[in-house]
Amino acid sequence: QQPVQSPQAVILREGEDAVINCSSSKALYSVHWYRQKHGEAPVFLMILLKGGEQKGHDKISASFNEKKQQSSLYLTASQLSYSGTYFCGTEGVPGNQFYFGTGTSLTVIP
Amino acid sequence: NAGVMQNPRHLVRRRGQEARLRCSPMKGHSHVYWYRQLPEEGLKFMVYLQKENIIDESGMPKERFSAEFPKEGPSILRIQQVVRGDSAAYFCASSPSPGLRNEQFFGPGTRLTVL
Repeated sequence: QQPVQSPQAVILREGEDAVINCSSSKALYSVHWYRQKHGEAPVFLMILLKGGEQKGHDKISASFNEKKQQSSLYLTASQLSYSGTYFCGTEGVPGNQFYFGTGTSLTVIP
Repeated sequence: NAGVMQNPRHLVRRRGQEARLRCSPMKGHSHVYWYRQLPEEGLKFMVYLQKENIIDESGMPKERFSAEFPKEGPSILRIQQVVRGDSAAYFCASSPSPGLRNEQFFGPGTRLTVL
């Protein structure tokens, strides 16, 4: 039931792009994306509620393919501040359990 | 508007003792979620509560763990007879509306160490 993320880890140089994928074996009702820096609490990035929905702010955006039970997070022109672990989160049953994905560690180097 | 507050931030217990973790949601939020995070791992859902009700506790171990969210006061996650495997960071999150189609605001976490 836990969504699987890929890649597990990625290292980027400042200015490069990255894509993080989140796949579920179960139907997805919504997808959340969070970023967690080491030793800190997760911070909300965005929610996608509908299949086909795309959202973004600044240089971080996401898409939600309901049929494929997948979501992808796109980071363009990465900055040092983007470093951290990214988690997707999905509803197992609407309004009830919430499962975080396996996590993707992203490191941006100068 | 204060954020989600958790206390204590760090808690050390010996095996067999009880641990009580407190979470005060953001003002106006009546929905609380508890998660456990083992070192270098992801967040695992434990329980979802509304005021005076447990909505979903499917992620919580059946024994030794309990949670409550009384009408007045913070939500409490209680771990009885702690064991070394309970050592982890415990995060709570709150949201203003029912269900999970809203942003969850996370507290800073309580880091539990069992000696």
